[in-house]
Amino acid sequence: SQQGEEDPQALSIQEGENATMNCSYKTSINNLQWYRQNSGRGLVHLILIRSNEREKHSGRLRVTLDTSKKSSSLLITASRAADTASYFCATRIQGAQKLVFGQGTRLTINP
Amino acid sequence: NAGVTQTPKFQVLKTGQSMTLQCAQDMNHNSMYWYRQDPGMGLRLIYYSASEGTTDKGEVPNGYNVSRLNKREFSLRLESAAPSQTSVYFCASSVGGWETQYFGPGTRLLVL
Repeated sequence: SQQGEEDPQALSIQEGENATMNCSYKTSINNLQWYRQNSGRGLVHLILIRSNEREKHSGRLRVTLDTSKKSSSLLITASRAADTASYFCATRIQGAQKLVFGQGTRLTINP
Repeated sequence: NAGVTQTPKFQVLKTGQSMTLQCAQDMNHNSMYWYRQDPGMGLRLIYYSASEGTTDKGEVPNGYNVSRLNKREFSLRLESAAPSQTSVYFCASSVGGWETQYFGPGTRLLVL
């Protein structure tokens, strides 16, 4: 897998259901960030989780980080039509001056 | 606060033409970045500026130059545009390097 690889590539669910997206990476990280991108717009930061943290919450968002498995998940509870967007994870690689973005998960919420 | 602004929003160039993409932030951030986004490729870093007066190459710097004009402004220049540079370009800024980044709305560039 690549550094910062999201799974699934596309997800379609009904409004009100929960959506879970996963991100896997290969090398040690300082932090992992999740971003949302609505069609034709810039990225918007959602949550940053550091390597010594296991879980963070923000409203309907819950992010977990398992450094032993080199993976993270983003859970969106009680989804809304407005959550339709692409979601990207980005990893700050330890010892490197870079933030590596994955290719994203395209989430569609059906009314 | 406007956040991060980018101009122009859309540009069409012919191969060999030059242009400068402008970016400005009003959040007093130290670090600024230029990315390009291509279908199926995610975002790739072109150049970044960790602080005023410094610039460094990212993953895909060839064909581009940058200028950190002051703390607020970070411009990206294409000296001789090529069709391979057709992309959406995003500028971003952050308080410190590689922390939470704030993105501009993007510039869509088409090189014919």
